[in-house]
Amino acid sequence: GAVVSQHPSRVICKSGTSVKIECRSLDFQATTMFWYRQFPKKSLMLMATSNEGSKATYEQGVEKDKFLINHASLTLSTLTVTSAHPEDSSFYICSAGGQGSSSYEQYFGPGTRLTVT
Amino acid sequence: AQTVTQSQPEMSVQEAETVTLSCTYDTSENNYYLFWYKQPPSRQMILVIRQEAYKQQNATENRFSVNFQKAAKSFSLKISDSQLGDTAMYFCAFMKHGPGDKLTFGTGTRLAVRP
Repeated sequence: GAVVSQHPSRVICKSGTSVKIECRSLDFQATTMFWYRQFPKKSLMLMATSNEGSKATYEQGVEKDKFLINHASLTLSTLTVTSAHPEDSSFYICSAGGQGSSSYEQYFGPGTRLTVT
Repeated sequence: AQTVTQSQPEMSVQEAETVTLSCTYDTSENNYYLFWYKQPPSRQMILVIRQEAYKQQNATENRFSVNFQKAAKSFSLKISDSQLGDTAMYFCAFMKHGPGDKLTFGTGTRLAVRP
């Protein structure tokens, strides 16, 4: 099956700094990648949808200047949390959508736990 | 906009027994997909089963089956012969028909399988 990786799996950063999370599709080309945020014991909240080579589409209420998304290639998308604050601490998950007849399928990364101190 | 509702925050089942998780959704779309995802303590999202709305036949994957009622907009998951490894959060999700479209998740049901 298709594999999606995320790096790092855990990160701790100080308030005011920026942190970058990478999402890679390892064995397929991902036309579209999605970024989610998940609070403890809660559901996944979609933050943004990114298509390779174009600007990301952000969900309502998500600050695009704070959560920078880049989808520079068909196998890599990055989420940068800028000027992080403790309230940005959360579990961030990416997923990647494939091409062709299985384009409805989304493959999820293992997630990144961000802690802002 | 689509909404997905899971009315059971927590469920418990004895090992080897059968349990059914409920899910209802609201949409004006005619073509769409429905999914059940499992999120174990590792937090890796795992696809359990999917259903295409145009298919009348209920999807089945080994011990997992769904009861898809399109008119009622209901999509329940039945887990037969429950195993300890089935302990997880289960999310019902909706996706419109179209490449690269987004998933809308329900709030989840936490399932505990008792030994």
